[in-house]
Amino acid sequence: DAGVIQSPRHEVTEMGQEVTLRCKPISGHDYLFWYRQTMMRGLELLIYFNNNVPIDDSGMPEDRFSAKMPNASFSTLKIQPSEPRDSAVYFCASSFSVTNEQFFGPGTRLTVL
Amino acid sequence: GQQLNQSPQSMFIQEGEDVSMNCTSSSIFNTWLWYKQEPGEGPVLLIALYKAGELTSNGRLTAQFGITRKDSFLNISASIPSDVGIYFCAGQSHGANSKLTFGKGITLSVRP
Repeated sequence: DAGVIQSPRHEVTEMGQEVTLRCKPISGHDYLFWYRQTMMRGLELLIYFNNNVPIDDSGMPEDRFSAKMPNASFSTLKIQPSEPRDSAVYFCASSFSVTNEQFFGPGTRLTVL
Repeated sequence: GQQLNQSPQSMFIQEGEDVSMNCTSSSIFNTWLWYKQEPGEGPVLLIALYKAGELTSNGRLTAQFGITRKDSFLNISASIPSDVGIYFCAGQSHGANSKLTFGKGITLSVRP
């Protein structure tokens, strides 16, 4: 199994631009999680899906952030418009169930200038 | 909300030494997890604990689920250079849609 796949691995963009981060979970996993990691706040859960349905988006910082999961093998996290304070590493993780081990992808390092 | 406390932020040890990391919470958790993150990678699960008082080993790693369910520790024995990384604790409550809460992590450096 290839594990959780994220793209791009690095993204540099200018303030105001739209950014789309992509994730392919491990096949057969019903849960998909999006996290943000910063030095100041550590790992924060942004949103998670169960069977492609968003269950808890209380961690999404503001309306500029949106996430979708159109099918079991693909999810996107979009930031529009991006701001410098959005600079962070964004991780996608997947698991069989909410109480099972979460497998993390390698992350996308986002820099907003 | 729930918060997990890990300190210090960084630890520096000599190769061959043992090291212990602690994680505390103001809330009760039903599951405690320890993850390790290496540079440029996502966190990887090291040990999972499901019962208060449980002591679990994974090679040179040993972790315990505190009796109060508000703390956990991770021990690494006979450290080696590849132990360097960030060690996170995470707690989870019961419930159909419970989610993980992560500590801020401890960065471990091992001097050869």
